[in-house]
Amino acid sequence: AQSVTQPDIHITVSEGASLELRCNYSYGATPYLFWYVQSPGQGLQLLLKYFSGDTLVQGIKGFEAEFKRSQSSFNLRKPSVHWSDAAEYFCAVAGGGADGLTFGKGTHLIIQP
Amino acid sequence: GAVVSQHPSWVICKSGTSVKIECRSLDFQATTMFWYRQFPKQSLMLMATSNEGSKATYEQGVEKDKFLINHASLTLSTLTVTSAHPEDSSFYICSATNPGGPVYEQYFGPGTRLTVT
Repeated sequence: AQSVTQPDIHITVSEGASLELRCNYSYGATPYLFWYVQSPGQGLQLLLKYFSGDTLVQGIKGFEAEFKRSQSSFNLRKPSVHWSDAAEYFCAVAGGGADGLTFGKGTHLIIQP
Repeated sequence: GAVVSQHPSWVICKSGTSVKIECRSLDFQATTMFWYRQFPKQSLMLMATSNEGSKATYEQGVEKDKFLINHASLTLSTLTVTSAHPEDSSFYICSATNPGGPVYEQYFGPGTRLTVT
């Protein structure tokens, strides 16, 4: 069975500082990997996805993530965070493109002025 | 484009009653929809996969007789929580895939908060 681990429950970052959110997955083959953001009162929004090709993927809102097969990781990064980035971030994996997602427990991002 | 709505956004019901939650794809036809459950400050857990015109596929541990899923059309899937109990209180979220859209993307609804008293 596939699983996702997000080791950081909370992360606090100063506005303008860089950000890295960690995600490790467990899956036998090459997985389909996703990062979603959830803001209060809003549905989950896809930031980026990886399923093949270039292991460094660019997403919306200035986010990027790098797939590292050797480390079973798919960490999310942003060079400079904005106060509006405060939200819950979920890493997810699927065995196939049409499968339901297995989510990590999420990382709550706090931006301090 | 690719908007998914849910109705109601929140509902309170008494223990023992049933409640129906609707998930609609507003501007595309969704052959596959998914239902997730999210406990407070926790992750989303996949409950079932719903395919239009066929029976839903439930994840292990999800009671199919308690959580009835119907995907009667290409734009509507419903989740009925039967004989609800306080432990069914949760945030229920649906998602849909758009066959005509970017590959491997699911579009999520805003969720429905269910409180059983």
